[in-house]
Amino acid sequence: ELKVEQNPLFLSMQEGKNYTIYCNYSTTSDRLYWYRQDPGKSLESLFVLLSNGAVKQEGRLMASLDTKARLSTLHITAAVHDLSATYFCAVDRGSGGSNYKLTFGKGTLLTVNP
Amino acid sequence: GAVVSQHPSWVICKSGTSVKIECRSLDFQATTMFWYRQFPKQSLMLMATSNEGSKATYEQGVEKDKFLINHASLTLSTLTVTSAHPEDSSFYICSAGLGGGAADTQYFGPGTRLTVL
Repeated sequence: ELKVEQNPLFLSMQEGKNYTIYCNYSTTSDRLYWYRQDPGKSLESLFVLLSNGAVKQEGRLMASLDTKARLSTLHITAAVHDLSATYFCAVDRGSGGSNYKLTFGKGTLLTVNP
Repeated sequence: GAVVSQHPSWVICKSGTSVKIECRSLDFQATTMFWYRQFPKQSLMLMATSNEGSKATYEQGVEKDKFLINHASLTLSTLTVTSAHPEDSSFYICSAGLGGGAADTQYFGPGTRLTVL
């Protein structure tokens, strides 16, 4: 059974600081996703990582994937208040091709303080 | 971009009644859609995979007779919560996959908040 662990679960940081959220998973997978969720809202797709060593960046967020270590990171650079949200990583259960069935981590509630 | 809609966005019902939630892919065809539920401040749990023209595949522990799924067309899947009880109160989110191969990803609907009194 695929298990996905995120840490930290809660993150309070000051504006302008950097931090990293970690996502570990237990079995082989070819696809890892990062999503953002604002309170009461659905999920917004941030990144999809498809191969070992993949790195993607969008604004102040950068995601990377190490399939050998079964680890993905979401790095936040110079945080701003607008980044406050819950961030989920999700791992596709398929191997050798997506079957779209995702197992989600518990999420990281990020609060960026002025 | 790909858009997935859900209706209604929120619903309140009495215990014992049934509630239908619709999920539509607005600008693309989705042969497969997914239904998740999310309890407050918790993660998303996959309930079932909805396949157009065939029976849904349910995850372990999900009662298929309670959560009826119908994928009537390439753009519409419905989830019916039958004989709802307060413990069914949750945030229900659908998603649809787009693309194939290396470019695929899932797009999520805005969610439906169900409250059973």
